[in-house]
Amino acid sequence: DAKTTQPNSMESNEEEPVHLPCNHSTISGTDYIHWYRQLPSQGPEYVIHGLTSNVNNRMASLAIAEDRTSSTLILHRATLRDAAVYYCTININDYKLSFGAGTTVTVRA
Amino acid sequence: NAGVTQTPKFRILKIGQSMTLQCTQDMNHNYMYWYRQDPGMGLKLIYYSVGAGITDKGEVPNGYNVSRSTTEDFPLRLELAAPSQTSVYFCASSPTKGEQFFGPGTRLTVL
Repeated sequence: DAKTTQPNSMESNEEEPVHLPCNHSTISGTDYIHWYRQLPSQGPEYVIHGLTSNVNNRMASLAIAEDRTSSTLILHRATLRDAAVYYCTININDYKLSFGAGTTVTVRA
Repeated sequence: NAGVTQTPKFRILKIGQSMTLQCTQDMNHNYMYWYRQDPGMGLKLIYYSVGAGITDKGEVPNGYNVSRSTTEDFPLRLELAAPSQTSVYFCASSPTKGEQFFGPGTRLTVL
């Protein structure tokens, strides 16, 4: 199964963009890249997913490298409510998720 | 819609006791999952189901059992609780493809 590598933590100031990198060098051609976030004492929450093309939604943007070995989640204007652990996951066979340890995002007011 | 609900929220078990963690979803999703999350770690898949009557093992199935008699319910059974099963357990559901919807979790302590 494909594995992901993320930095342990990142800090940002409020209203500034946050770029969260993820390496997934063993991803196969049909595996989707999913991002989830987890606020303290809550279950994970879906953020965004993509296969090959960059994706945008109301929460974030996902930039996928041309060779698909890495991706970057972009939070355009961080707020205090965006402080969470962000997980880059590989969606295997369209439904199983493989989670890594995630990146803890801290947002400074 | 309530989404994915889990009961209980918290439980303390003694070593060797048994219990069932309940999970129900009202979104008519075919796929359901059980994960565990140890402190400071990511989620690990225990068991999953692609539809009523069908279940399969995930990464860490030892010490657990599941059943899926209806689309809505996916209970997780611990037969002989061990301290290594102290964790937070999350149930999730999804349509055939796409995002998974997670429940609020059950925090289990085995002493």
